[in-house]
Amino acid sequence: AQTVTQSQPEMSVQEAETVTLSCTYDTSESDYYLFWYKQPPSRQMILVIRQEAYKQQNATENRFSVNFQKAAKSFSLKISDSQLGDAAMYFCAYRSARTGGFKTIFGAGTRLFVKA
Amino acid sequence: EADIYQTPRYLVIGTGKKITLECSQTMGHDKMYWYQQDPGMELHLIHYSYGVNSTEKGDLSSESTVSRIRTEHFPLTLESARPSHTSQYLCASSDRGLGNSPLHFGNGTRLTVT
Repeated sequence: AQTVTQSQPEMSVQEAETVTLSCTYDTSESDYYLFWYKQPPSRQMILVIRQEAYKQQNATENRFSVNFQKAAKSFSLKISDSQLGDAAMYFCAYRSARTGGFKTIFGAGTRLFVKA
Repeated sequence: EADIYQTPRYLVIGTGKKITLECSQTMGHDKMYWYQQDPGMELHLIHYSYGVNSTEKGDLSSESTVSRIRTEHFPLTLESARPSHTSQYLCASSDRGLGNSPLHFGNGTRLTVT
């Protein structure tokens, strides 16, 4: 069975600085998708960024980028120029390409604090 | 602005009551899901649906039931609420076909059973 591990329960970053959130996963499959979701306090969870395992190039969305290391099964999220609005729970998630897209497995989350 | 709507947002109810958590989406997505999330914790899939008249149980055992009579509507029902059901329930949907289609979440229902 696939698992997703986020080893940092909490992280803190100074406004305008850069922070990296860690995520590792375990799978025997070669084709899958990886996601980072953001859940602000009392607000809707939203997609931050996604990566297809078959793509070698790391995904980037504005200030958010990933470091995808397929062999190491690592999928870290880098947030550049951190803003107060980035404070939230961040969840790393895995979805097999084989299961028809219904089963997304989430990590336990990392709570990010942004200091002004 | 949410395209997937959950009501109520908060619910406090006594043990033994029957409750239905509503979830509707306007995106025409075939796939819909219910996740259970304790505060600040990971999400656990409790039910999912591929489309109308299709429902399946997820990984986490749940005493709740779901129905999917219309594409846009995926309510979750607890026949007899218990304190152990106290949690946050998140409804989500995703587009069919594309494996990298992200989940779209509602705002959640925070349920407290006293």
